[in-house]
Amino acid sequence: GAGVSQSPSNKVTEKGKDVELRCDPISGHTALYWYRQSLGQGLEFLIYFQGNSAPDKSGLPSDRFSAERTGGSVSTLTIQRTQQEDSAVYLCASSFGLLWDQETQYFGPGTRLLVL
Amino acid sequence: GDSVTQMEGPVTLSEEAFLTINCTYTATGYPSLFWYVQYPGEGLQLLLKATKADDKGSNKGFEATYRKETTSFHLEKGSVQVSDSAVYFCALRPNFNKFYFGSGTKLNVKP
Repeated sequence: GAGVSQSPSNKVTEKGKDVELRCDPISGHTALYWYRQSLGQGLEFLIYFQGNSAPDKSGLPSDRFSAERTGGSVSTLTIQRTQQEDSAVYLCASSFGLLWDQETQYFGPGTRLLVL
Repeated sequence: GDSVTQMEGPVTLSEEAFLTINCTYTATGYPSLFWYVQYPGEGLQLLLKATKADDKGSNKGFEATYRKETTSFHLEKGSVQVSDSAVYFCALRPNFNKFYFGSGTKLNVKP
C-alpha cells in the first residue's frame, strides 16, 4: 500500500518564479492537508480539503498561495511570484476522514523548496 | 488565538531514563490533542491522541493525559530507548478547519 507521495522532493527556483507542488494522498482518504515547515520552526497549517472543497483558506500565508484538489485525489499547491521567505519544507498529509476515529493524518516526505 | 507551546530541545537522556516533554495549549472549547513523532529520515506519524479532558492517550510506552485545568498534554515515558530518538511535536485541533503544531522537541537517547 502506497503512502502519501509528494513531488518534486526538492525544488530550487529563482525569486519571482511560480512553483507547483504536488501531493498524492493515500487512496480512499477524503481529507488532505498542506503544511509548511520553515527552518527551526514548527509546522504551520496552511489548508485542508474535504473532498475537493477547502472550507477555510485563511491559513494560506498570502494571496500568492493557492491550492486545489481535483477528483478527490491529487492536490496542487501553487506559489506565485516566489519570495525568499517562501523557502521551507512543504508537507502534505491525508486522513480517511475528519471524525475522531478517522482523523489520523499520514504525512508525505515533503517538498523542500529553496527560493534563491 | 489558539496555540501550542512545547519545551525547547534538544533533550538528551541516557537509555532507561524517564522522559517528560511538556506541552501546553491555548484554545477555546474542547480541542483534540495529539503527539506526532518524526524519526530520522522518516515522515511525521501519529504517536497518540486524546479528545476530551482526563483522556489518556498511549502508544509504544508513551503516555499523555489531557489536563483541561492546566491546559497541558505532557508526553511521558518511563524508560526511553535509543530507538526513541526523534523529534516530537505536540498538536492541537480546535475545530475541523485548523491544526496547530508546536515547534518540535528533539530527543536524543544515548546508550
